[in-house]
Amino acid sequence: QSVLTQPPSASGTPGQRVAISCSGGISNIGANLVYWYQQLPRTAPKLLIYKNFKRPSGVPDRFSGSKSGTSASLAIDGLRSEDEADYYCATWDDSLSAWLFGGGTKLTVL
Amino acid sequence: EVQLVESGGGLVKPGGSLRLSCATSGFTFAGAWMNWVRQAPGKGLEWVGRIKSKSDGETIDYAAPVKGRFIISRDDSKTALFLQMNSLKTEDTAVYFCTTVSMTVWGQGTMVTVSS
Repeated sequence: QSVLTQPPSASGTPGQRVAISCSGGISNIGANLVYWYQQLPRTAPKLLIYKNFKRPSGVPDRFSGSKSGTSASLAIDGLRSEDEADYYCATWDDSLSAWLFGGGTKLTVL
Repeated sequence: EVQLVESGGGLVKPGGSLRLSCATSGFTFAGAWMNWVRQAPGKGLEWVGRIKSKSDGETIDYAAPVKGRFIISRDDSKTALFLQMNSLKTEDTAVYFCTTVSMTVWGQGTMVTVSS
């Protein structure tokens, strides 16, 4: 069981808004920056959001990140079929001196 | 363009050893902190370890499941990252990815299978 907790699955129809949560603690999310990764089937993960809410160039502004206290969230607006993928949150943990990943959320576009 | 290319994966028996390499280009490797991340078949991402740059002391941190068995090293002259895996267990079976600091860029991964 991961220290960072994500829902195992999420779903939505095209055009909808979907949010994926990531819950942690004071030594990880509460103290450090959060990153989000998208992993399409049979490919390497790709950085989606860095430093809580920043988007790398090339990532559509439909994707947004936020953080409050010991939780973070990834929101996807205007859901598209190509958004169907696994999504992971990650952050450094000061107590463990280790990077942590959430268990991952499988997003299905209905 | 930043590129990371892993190699060295394969099939190894439990208790055996394997050395993975990650060839890098497109950025100043000597100043970069680097990570190894793995993903077991059908499972999520798991951080393996991190090595800081030489100027930051080349400190290495490992995840608890691999501490004492895996060794991360770097060769700045060859802009390469390495992962020496010893005393391998079946649960080490995974795709191993080389990544830059904060996992901003990922390689394509190399598969390691530990099985008798």
